[in-house]
Amino acid sequence: GNSVTQMEGPVTLSEEAFLTINCTYTATGYPSLFWYVQYPGEGLQLLLKATKADDKGSNKGFEATYRKETTSFHLEKGSVQVSDSAVYFCALGGNAGGTSYGKLTFGQGTILTVHP
Amino acid sequence: GAVVSQHPSWVICKSGTSVKIECRSLDFQATTMFWYRQFPKQSLMLMATSNEGSKATYEQGVEKDKFLINHASLTLSTLTVTSAHPEDSSFYICRLLATSGRVSYNEQFFGPGTRLTVL
Repeated sequence: GNSVTQMEGPVTLSEEAFLTINCTYTATGYPSLFWYVQYPGEGLQLLLKATKADDKGSNKGFEATYRKETTSFHLEKGSVQVSDSAVYFCALGGNAGGTSYGKLTFGQGTILTVHP
Repeated sequence: GAVVSQHPSWVICKSGTSVKIECRSLDFQATTMFWYRQFPKQSLMLMATSNEGSKATYEQGVEKDKFLINHASLTLSTLTVTSAHPEDSSFYICRLLATSGRVSYNEQFFGPGTRLTVL
């Protein structure tokens, strides 16, 4: 079955530091890959996504590239801010139009804390 | 942006009681809703998928008679934990796929979650 393995946290960084949160997956077929962010007291929000190999998702300075050869989708940001402090989830989903579309398999989440 | 609410946001109950958790979309309609549970420092685990007007589809290992799901309308789904026990203590989260309203088709939204503690 599908699975997602995510870098364990918590991760603590100083403002303007470089961020990497590793994510690898196992899946059959050609899944879509997602990063979600959960700010304190709020629901999960889609941060970025990629639907096929070599696609790069990006949003709010965050980037992740769908690497089929290494089955990875690592999240990066060049300069983090205090406001980026949140929990980040890597997730894998079925292809749009497939019978499993909409189901998501999540990693365990990584807590990021950014200090001024 | 689109809003999904869950009520209550947290609940403490005695063992053996039943607890109902509501998930509402406030400015869009959703044919498909998902319920997840999350244990501390663990991933979100899908419990069931519900489509409006039909019975929910439960994931393997999830007791359908214990976790009753009612997708009564395109804006409301409820999860009832029946005869709750301490091992049911968890964080329950709904996720909705939008089908109409002021959002894109199949755009997805999560509720803020409900913290259930069973004593």
